[in-house]
Amino acid sequence: DQQVKQNSPSLSVQEGRISILNCDYTNSMFDYFLWYKKYPAEGPTFLISISSIKDKNEDGRFTVFLNKSAKHLSLHIVPSQPGDSAVYFCAASARETSGSRLTFGEGTQLTVNP
Amino acid sequence: DSGVTQTPKHLITATGQRVTLRCSPRSGDLSVYWYQQSLDQGLQFLIQYYNGEERAKGNILERFSAQQFPDLHSELNLSSLELGDSALYFCASSRMGRPTDTQYFGPGTRLTVL
Repeated sequence: DQQVKQNSPSLSVQEGRISILNCDYTNSMFDYFLWYKKYPAEGPTFLISISSIKDKNEDGRFTVFLNKSAKHLSLHIVPSQPGDSAVYFCAASARETSGSRLTFGEGTQLTVNP
Repeated sequence: DSGVTQTPKHLITATGQRVTLRCSPRSGDLSVYWYQQSLDQGLQFLIQYYNGEERAKGNILERFSAQQFPDLHSELNLSSLELGDSALYFCASSRMGRPTDTQYFGPGTRLTVL
């Protein structure tokens, strides 16, 4: 049961344009969401997060939008740069009686063309 | 550089063998997590420790075990290795181990079982 889904395995955009990466979730207990970026042969790098009490969080070129009713979040990158080319993972966590864990989507390969 | 270190970077071994993966968390972080990334499963949560105690457990096989030591470093032990255990193993750390704490990932250990 894939609780976090990224339906687009890949996305290609031109440098300077907007990149929009999407993520859907099914578990209504998720209340904290994160985006990670991963380059080959490296670990995931934290990008931005959002709590379920918000619908938007912005950090420089990166903005995450959360639509709780649709169980959908998206990451906007504006403007896109060639160095943004990487695999992007959406992740979610839920309040647990003890401890925490991240549930990841399958990832989306973003390619930004010069 | 996330501040999380993992050794070794690569490990090649044979079926039936046992290996130990090591992780040092970021300075000041009390919680460590282990994740497995295989080709067909994506990033899967294995186990979480906080200040030496197990806090949360995912789909970790009985052949796998982990511990967190008083100096907060952690080790993941994999025994009776099978071909299907070949994967990237990531360690992450966070400050207090809460669901809203950002997890920072190490560079990973690539395990190849022949």
